[in-house]
Amino acid sequence: GDSVTQMEGPVTLSEEAFLTINCTYTATGYPSLFWYVQYPGEGLQLLLKATKADDKGSNKGFEATYRKETTSFHLEKGSVQVSDSAVYFCALSDPTGGGNKLTFGTGTQLKVEL
Amino acid sequence: DTGVSQNPRHKITKRGQNVTFRCDPISEHNRLYWYRQTLGQGPEFLTYFQNEAQLEKSRLLSDRFSAERPKGSFSTLEIQRTEQGDSAMYLCASSFPRSQETQYFGPGTRLLVL
Repeated sequence: GDSVTQMEGPVTLSEEAFLTINCTYTATGYPSLFWYVQYPGEGLQLLLKATKADDKGSNKGFEATYRKETTSFHLEKGSVQVSDSAVYFCALSDPTGGGNKLTFGTGTQLKVEL
Repeated sequence: DTGVSQNPRHKITKRGQNVTFRCDPISEHNRLYWYRQTLGQGPEFLTYFQNEAQLEKSRLLSDRFSAERPKGSFSTLEIQRTEQGDSAMYLCASSFPRSQETQYFGPGTRLLVL
C-alpha cells in the first residue's frame, strides 16, 4: 500500500537557518504530493503541493520538488523564522480507485529559536 | 468561503457512551473526508463521501463507527459504545470537484474517553 516516510523530529534551528525536512514515498499509481503544516492548537493547513513529476510547489518561502526518480518530496526554506515553529506533515494523494484519500507521514516538529 | 467547520471542538465522555461529531464542509465542495489523528502521529483516513454517497471506508472504521452525509452537505460521525482507544482528534476535510486532490481541513474535534 501507499506510505510516506518523514525524517524524525524534533528539529531545532536558529532563526535564519536553512531548513530541510526529508520526505520519501511509496505509491502504486501517480500520486500528488503535499506538505501540510499544523501550528500549535490549530488544524492542518495546506502549505504547498505538486501534482506531477518535476513540479515545484512553493509558498511562504517554502519549496519542495516532486522527484519521481528518488520518490522524494523534501521541504526546504532558506531562512526560517520563529513563526515557522510547527509540525510539518508530508502526504500523498493517490487517485487510483478515484478516492484521492491522503496518506500522511508521522510529522516532523520544527522549533525555531532566536 | 468560511472554511471547514467542526463541532464540537472538544468532547469528554465516559467509556461506553455514544458521541456524535458534525462537519460542515466548504460550500460547493462535493467530497468530504474523515480522518483520525492520535498524539504524535499523522492523520489516518477513515472514510469519504462524494455528495451523499459513502464511497470508501477504512478498516480502521469498526462497526461502532458510522458516518452519514444525508443531503450531500454536512456530515456526522457517530461512535457507539466508546472505548479509551477512541481518544483522538477527529478531522474533517473537503475538496472541490475541479481540484479533487487538494483537501482543506477543519480544526478537528478532540475526543477524550475516560
